[in-house]
Amino acid sequence: DAGVIQSPRHEVTEMGQEVTLRCKPISGHDYLFWYRQTMMRGLELLIYFNNNVPIDDSGMPEDRFSAKMPNASFSTLKIQPSEPRDSAVYFCASRLGQLNSPLHFGNGTRLTVT
Amino acid sequence: AQSVTQPDIHITVSEGASLELRCNYSYGATPYLFWYVQSPGQGLQLLLKYFSGDTLVQGIKGFEAEFKRSQSSFNLRKPSVHWSDAAEYFCAVGARASGTYKYIFGTGTRLKVLA
Repeated sequence: DAGVIQSPRHEVTEMGQEVTLRCKPISGHDYLFWYRQTMMRGLELLIYFNNNVPIDDSGMPEDRFSAKMPNASFSTLKIQPSEPRDSAVYFCASRLGQLNSPLHFGNGTRLTVT
Repeated sequence: AQSVTQPDIHITVSEGASLELRCNYSYGATPYLFWYVQSPGQGLQLLLKYFSGDTLVQGIKGFEAEFKRSQSSFNLRKPSVHWSDAAEYFCAVGARASGTYKYIFGTGTRLKVLA
């Protein structure tokens, strides 16, 4: 089991540029979550999918953020245009089944927007 | 509203000393409770979880936690801390919120271990 795989590990971009973060969940997991972690706000849920369908995107901060899950093994989180306040570590996590199953986290993407 | 409070932002203990990290939650029903650990540059790893039954649960790396309904608490403990335990620890509640099920994380407690 390779675990949840995120790419890239680090991303540095200039304000106004488009950023795409990628995630491959654990095979067979039917839930996928995108979190953002900052010192000020801690770990925030942005959006989650069940069977590739977005269920709750109430945590997505603005229309500049979008997420897709075209198939069970791949998801993207896109920021367009990026702003310095988007700088954070973005985590993808997956889960098999319902709420009593634990989340499995990737190692995160550290995004720096200058 | 559902919430998780970890009152200690930083804790420092000496290697070999006992450890207790506090977690309080607010939720109307019996929640699903979790403790995760995050090492620098890594994602969160599950230490232990509580759903029902025995209120004292054992986890990996020698950690345990006790669910106390009367105090709305789920404190994490370890009898003897190792230097490798230095990390950030997150308590989380799995709960129904705004019509969907989600995890609510505390703000974390950063543990420093003195040699």
